[in-house]
Amino acid sequence: EAQVTQNPRYLITVTGKKLTVTCSQNMNHEYMSWYRQDPGLGLRQIYYSMNVEVTDKGDVPEGYKVSRKEKRNFPLILESPSPNQTSLYFCASSQEGKNSPLHFGNGTRLTVT
Amino acid sequence: AQKITQTQPGMFVQEKEAVTLDCTYDTSDPSYGLFWYKQPSSGEMIFLIYQGSYDQQNATEGRYSLNFQKARKSANLVISASQLGDSAMYFCAMSGRYILTGGGNKLTFGTGTQLKVEL
Repeated sequence: EAQVTQNPRYLITVTGKKLTVTCSQNMNHEYMSWYRQDPGLGLRQIYYSMNVEVTDKGDVPEGYKVSRKEKRNFPLILESPSPNQTSLYFCASSQEGKNSPLHFGNGTRLTVT
Repeated sequence: AQKITQTQPGMFVQEKEAVTLDCTYDTSDPSYGLFWYKQPSSGEMIFLIYQGSYDQQNATEGRYSLNFQKARKSANLVISASQLGDSAMYFCAMSGRYILTGGGNKLTFGTGTQLKVEL
């Protein structure tokens, strides 16, 4: 089954404790991205990647890191999480092209206390 | 910069009725795509329908249709014969100008409309 898999689904952590949210897709998509969803703000892009070793900032990159060492994987790293990073996070992938829909993972609900 | 506006934070509709969810957009890019996603209470994002800016006909997918009015920059989602399972948050989104460092499909999202279908 074609899918984007994120883990974990839920994560509660404390300020400053490094964490990684994993993302993997099995559709051979070159394009992958991370979004965060906050009430009243919709979804905002954090980082994206066009291919292996090619990543760039989205609209809200502060406090996040990513890496793309393999085509299928695109982990999101929070080196020193803060409470304002409490949010619902989505990984997504797509084929090239403006008419290609994003395929989303099931989301990771992160709480930073 | 691209912008998507969804002015209806919440809507109610009776089962079996049709409902229209509003979406207006702003972009200077002549080529763009418009998408609608559904987010049920379980949280996942489900792709519903796509409309390209150069498409001559309005897109349809089963009970979903997209009322695309290019001159008015609107892309409203119409759900016919509403069902209880349609209760969800609905997001309008658009793709547009490729990021300078490469291609790729960055979507700009609206703030969503919460739809509640009642008996």
